[in-house]
Amino acid sequence: DIQVTQSPSSLSASVGDRITITCQASQDITKSLHWYQKKPGKAPKLLIYDASNLETGVPSRFSGSGSGTDFIFTISSLQPEDIATYYCLKSHHLPVFGPGTKVDF
Amino acid sequence: EVQLLESGGGLVQPGGSLRLSCTVSGFTLSSYAMAWVRQAPGKGLEWVSTISGSGVTWYPDSVKGRFTISRDSSKNTVYLQMNRVRADDTAVYYCARDRGYPNDELDFWGRGTLVTVSS
Repeated sequence: DIQVTQSPSSLSASVGDRITITCQASQDITKSLHWYQKKPGKAPKLLIYDASNLETGVPSRFSGSGSGTDFIFTISSLQPEDIATYYCLKSHHLPVFGPGTKVDF
Repeated sequence: EVQLLESGGGLVQPGGSLRLSCTVSGFTLSSYAMAWVRQAPGKGLEWVSTISGSGVTWYPDSVKGRFTISRDSSKNTVYLQMNRVRADDTAVYYCARDRGYPNDELDFWGRGTLVTVSS
């Protein structure tokens, strides 16, 4: 089974900061990696699909890159409404979520 | 407008059964794979099952043999039959639309239904 690791598990930042989160798959998954934002009491929200494609309606400060086994998610200028937990999702064969990264101030 | 609405959650005893429903609108259910994802209290997201448009199903080992996903396109509804439930099945269960080939990105989600397994 393909495993997915995500780091860091949490981070503290300030408004306007650039933040990056990484996900690593244990095997080559090409670009089958997606990024979600999860706020308490709300449904997960798709931000980036297929590693680097911005979902419709998502602000351009969110971006993703990578392929194969290593992926990066970036918020170029952190906003107050971005406080949330972020998850990567590997969809190559059986889906697996990363353990999440909690972002706060 | 795409909408998904889960129902059927509640309190169930260990070893018992529960059936969750996800009623959808705004798209043709038979044209998409659908998935269930859960989040236990204080934990991360966990994929639970997927059903393709043609009825092929997938499960992780944690629920295989206990949970069954099904769909009724005439009722625009996806189901999750949960049998032999355990305390670690306690979670908010989300229904989501799989946009691509089955087991691809999940683009629309419901608001979730809480399942509590306790005696």
